[in-house]
Amino acid sequence: DTGVSQNPRHKITKRGQNVTFRCDPISEHNRLYWYRQTLGQGPEFLTYFQNEAQLEKSRLLSDRFSAERPKGSFSTLEIQRTEQGDSAMYLCASSWEDRATNEKLFFGSGTQLSVL
Amino acid sequence: TQLLEQSPQFLSIQEGENLTVYCNSSSVFSSLQWYRQEPGEGPVLLVTVVTGGEVKKLKRLTFQFGDARKDSSLHITAAQPGDTGLYLCAGLAGGTSYGKLTFGQGTILTVHP
Repeated sequence: DTGVSQNPRHKITKRGQNVTFRCDPISEHNRLYWYRQTLGQGPEFLTYFQNEAQLEKSRLLSDRFSAERPKGSFSTLEIQRTEQGDSAMYLCASSWEDRATNEKLFFGSGTQLSVL
Repeated sequence: TQLLEQSPQFLSIQEGENLTVYCNSSSVFSSLQWYRQEPGEGPVLLVTVVTGGEVKKLKRLTFQFGDARKDSSLHITAAQPGDTGLYLCAGLAGGTSYGKLTFGQGTILTVHP
């Protein structure tokens, strides 16, 4: 178990640029989540994948945001035309669907985005 | 929209003191989780409580789920500097079959030696 891996750890970009983050979940996990956390707040749910299917998107996810999980393994989160308000920590989490136990999410270390 | 209110937002105490963090909502949750987060890292799950009135202990940490499943508390006995961190509660809404969590805003705990 190597844990959830996120790259890059830090990203500084200028307003208007596009950025892409990658998440590699724990290998046997079929569920993957993206959350966003701003300073002094708890994480907020952005989107959820079951295998390769994106099953829910938060209203927080504007049209500038797109997430994919093409083969049901790693996922990417792209932000187009970044704005200063996009500055946040973007967290990825994964879990294994198991109806016998409570949902247990494993979070990565996040990608800290700073939009100048 | 389900909200979770955590209090206090900041807590600064001396080593050896006891403390309690509260997590309250007007909504019912099917389960509630507590996480600890270090700076620059993702949250790490400490415990999940499911049944109203449930109490779980993890060494010096005691977690309680309210009878109505709307609130929870985390009590730390004899706090140590290693307990320093951001503590987050997170609720899972009833009827949700996957990990779409609603988080509180967190409690930043600092334990001074």
